[in-house]
Amino acid sequence: AQKVTQAQTEISVVEKEDVTLDCVYETRDTTYYLFWYKQPPSGELVFLIRRNSFDEQNEISGRYSWNFQKSTSSFNFTITASQVVDSAVYFCALSEAVGSSNTGKLIFGQGTTLQVKP
Amino acid sequence: DGGITQSPKYLFRKEGQNVTLSCEQNLNHDAMYWYRQDPGQGLRLIYYSQIVNDFQKGDIAEGYSVSREKKESFPLTVTSAQKNPTAFYLCASSPGSWTEAFFGQGTRLTVV
Repeated sequence: AQKVTQAQTEISVVEKEDVTLDCVYETRDTTYYLFWYKQPPSGELVFLIRRNSFDEQNEISGRYSWNFQKSTSSFNFTITASQVVDSAVYFCALSEAVGSSNTGKLIFGQGTTLQVKP
Repeated sequence: DGGITQSPKYLFRKEGQNVTLSCEQNLNHDAMYWYRQDPGQGLRLIYYSQIVNDFQKGDIAEGYSVSREKKESFPLTVTSAQKNPTAFYLCASSPGSWTEAFFGQGTRLTVV
């Protein structure tokens, strides 16, 4: 069965600290996609990144970076020099595949609540 | 502006009443989804539709119903059979498989 685990329920840091949010996934598929979403207090999920299973290159976007390691089934997210505006719930998700096709359904982790204090 | 519109943002209903949550998208996406979010939990899939006039049950479809008569619209009805309907409901759409989903702002349903 496919599963996503975000073991960190809540993280609290002081502004300008670096913080890493962990994501571990389980799947038997060879082709899959991983995602990170941000949910600010307004409630809407904001897409951050999509990564396919064949691309293990790390990605950096401004203060955000992602480390994808198939060997450990992890897709961790690091925020460098955190800011108060980064305070939100962050979700890691895995796309569900049925054979070689994909339903578009997402399997979400339980989310990590990040609080950045000034 | 293109996007997904959910209405209303807050909804209160008495126990035993059916209620319909609206979801409209103007992104021309084929696929649409309904997720439920409970406090401290991730999102769970209720129903999804990959094409007009067709939809499939997700992981927690009991007590819910949907329709997909138009590409732009995917309303969700929470029926009286849903034992614990109070939750935050999120609608999403995507252009197809293997792509990211775009989410609406959600509807917070409270049943009293």
